[in-house]
Amino acid sequence: DQQVKQNSPSLSVQEGRISILNCDYTNSMFDYFLWYKKYPAEGPTFLISISSIKDKNEDGRFTVFLNKSAKHLSLHIVPSQPGDSAVYFCAASDPGFQKLVFGTGTRLLVSP
Amino acid sequence: NAGVTQTPKFRVLKTGQSMTLLCAQDMNHEYMYWYRQDPGMGLRLIHYSVGEGTTAKGEVPDGYNVSRLKKQNFLLGLESAAPSQTSVYFCASSYSRREQYFGPGTRLTVT
Repeated sequence: DQQVKQNSPSLSVQEGRISILNCDYTNSMFDYFLWYKKYPAEGPTFLISISSIKDKNEDGRFTVFLNKSAKHLSLHIVPSQPGDSAVYFCAASDPGFQKLVFGTGTRLLVSP
Repeated sequence: NAGVTQTPKFRVLKTGQSMTLLCAQDMNHEYMYWYRQDPGMGLRLIHYSVGEGTTAKGEVPDGYNVSRLKKQNFLLGLESAAPSQTSVYFCASSYSRREQYFGPGTRLTVT
């Protein structure tokens, strides 16, 4: 049972435009959500997070939006840059467990 | 401050062979995790530890064992490797149940 879903395996965007990556979850107990970025042959690196008591968190070009009623979060990258090309994973944390649940990832390609 | 390191970076095993992957962190984190990444499957949790001397099963624990004898180290063992264990293995550590810091990965091929 996939509790965290990223339904788009890939996304292509032109440099300077907005990239929107989506993530859906099924477990209403999740109270903290994270986005990780992964380049080839490297480990994932933490990008941005949001608590369930908020609906938006912003860090520079990156903004994460949380819609609890829809069990949906999204990552907006504005403006997109070629260096943003990577695989993006969303993850969720359940307060009852000391671990994260990851989605399957979305590969973002930003072309010049 | 090296963060999370993994040894080795690459390894090729024959079916039935055994090996141990070592993860070390210098951030004094309580929690440590082992994941495997396979195409289209994302990051799947194998085993994890919430402190020195503790281990717990994750989503895909079969065929693997772990030990956390020292707080800074988390070992992942394959007793009898199978081709299905060909994957990229990532170790991570954290001070809470939230942000985890990942190592660079170990690419394992079982022939």
